[in-house]
Amino acid sequence: SAVISQKPSRDICQRGTSLTIQCQVDSQVTMMFWYRQQPGQSLTLIATANQGSEATYESGFVIDKFPISRPNLTFSTLTVSNMSPEDSSIYLCSVWGGPGSTDTQYFGPGTRLTVL
Amino acid sequence: GESVGLHLPTLSVQEGDNSIINCAYSNSASDYFIWYKQESGKGPQFIIDIRSNMDKRQGQRVTVLLNKTVKHLSLQIAATQPGDSAVYFCAENRDRGSTLGRLYFGRGTQLTVWP
Repeated sequence: SAVISQKPSRDICQRGTSLTIQCQVDSQVTMMFWYRQQPGQSLTLIATANQGSEATYESGFVIDKFPISRPNLTFSTLTVSNMSPEDSSIYLCSVWGGPGSTDTQYFGPGTRLTVL
Repeated sequence: GESVGLHLPTLSVQEGDNSIINCAYSNSASDYFIWYKQESGKGPQFIIDIRSNMDKRQGQRVTVLLNKTVKHLSLQIAATQPGDSAVYFCAENRDRGSTLGRLYFGRGTQLTVWP
């Protein structure tokens, strides 16, 4: 299975600021996914990040609010811009398994964001 | 029994009993389904998956049933243990024919196991 790490694990931020979350995978993967999990809720897909192309955003999410970078096949960042308390959530990245194991999707530990 | 709380449905069971967690999915074209377990403060952990050409799959202490007619999934946990206490999510891959597709998650169920 793919091993995924995220930084930071948690943060407390002020309204109006931005936070960049990093996701690192231990193998090369074609696509990486970013999810949001609001308190007590399920996971909602924000966008799909492909290396070498712009991210594809789901309905309700826009690039200006959640810019994503994908500089190589093992790394991606998600920025939460101009934050408000409604952005307080857990942000998770995920990938389908690396070479030899592409059958399921694995998740990182998440970044717990609190916006004051 | 099962009840709907403010956020997630909850299921409370006695240790040693069997648990059944249900999930309704929305897209009849979805061809791959996964059950995840999420413990407090952690990311979702893969439990078991099933493809749409199957109606049952068994793992260690867990069984997933798929009813495509009514678009329903269930997760059965045998001999439930306190360590099984967590939130359980089903997820569907709607990008039919692609093993690298997007996942869409169900509402989740909070399972509590009492000793």
